[in-house]
Amino acid sequence: GQQVMQIPQYQHVQEGEDFTTYCNSSTTLSNIQWYKQRPGGHPVFLIQLVKSGEVKKQKRLTFQFGEAKKNSSLHITATQTTDVGTYFCAGPDNTDKLIFGTGTRLQVFP
Amino acid sequence: DSGVTQTPKHLITATGQRVTLRCSPRSGDLSVYWYQQSLDQGLQFLIQYYNGEERAKGNILERFSAQQFPDLHSELNLSSLELGDSALYFCASSGPPGPNSPLHFGNGTRLTVT
Repeated sequence: GQQVMQIPQYQHVQEGEDFTTYCNSSTTLSNIQWYKQRPGGHPVFLIQLVKSGEVKKQKRLTFQFGEAKKNSSLHITATQTTDVGTYFCAGPDNTDKLIFGTGTRLQVFP
Repeated sequence: DSGVTQTPKHLITATGQRVTLRCSPRSGDLSVYWYQQSLDQGLQFLIQYYNGEERAKGNILERFSAQQFPDLHSELNLSSLELGDSALYFCASSGPPGPNSPLHFGNGTRLTVT
């Protein structure tokens, strides 16, 4: 079945440093979604990318969808302690159910 | 607040028992999804319903079953519980089914099997 992997699994950064998580799917995706789960919380939808090569920004967050629509990345510029959490990418499989990536846990030290 | 309501928030039970988790989707959402998240693990898709009918099934154990009622709320039944079933169970809802519908998650039910 479809697999969605993310690297790194964990990332510890100093506040102010940049952070990037990478998402790779075993199959081509019609779209990629990103979610953030704060410690003790539930996943919250951040954004959806649909077009090949698409880049979207939300303040300090930059999301990119690969040209082949099999990979994506999330880059956070100048991390803050509020960025702490686990970031998941997710893509639909051939039956349209959303398959979540393995997640990247971000820890930010002040 | 996502608008998705899950009850109970916590559940502690013994092995071999049966429990029911309940979910009310966001107003207007017809699709309901159940995911399992074990400690420090990702989100494993269990099952999806749309307007009362099962639409997709993941790696859901035979001991688990679910349904969506006419009022669109959903229940996930877990029976013959084992220690390994201890996890966070999330319900999510979305609008019309399709690859482009983002999910809105509830706060989850934390199940502890002792």
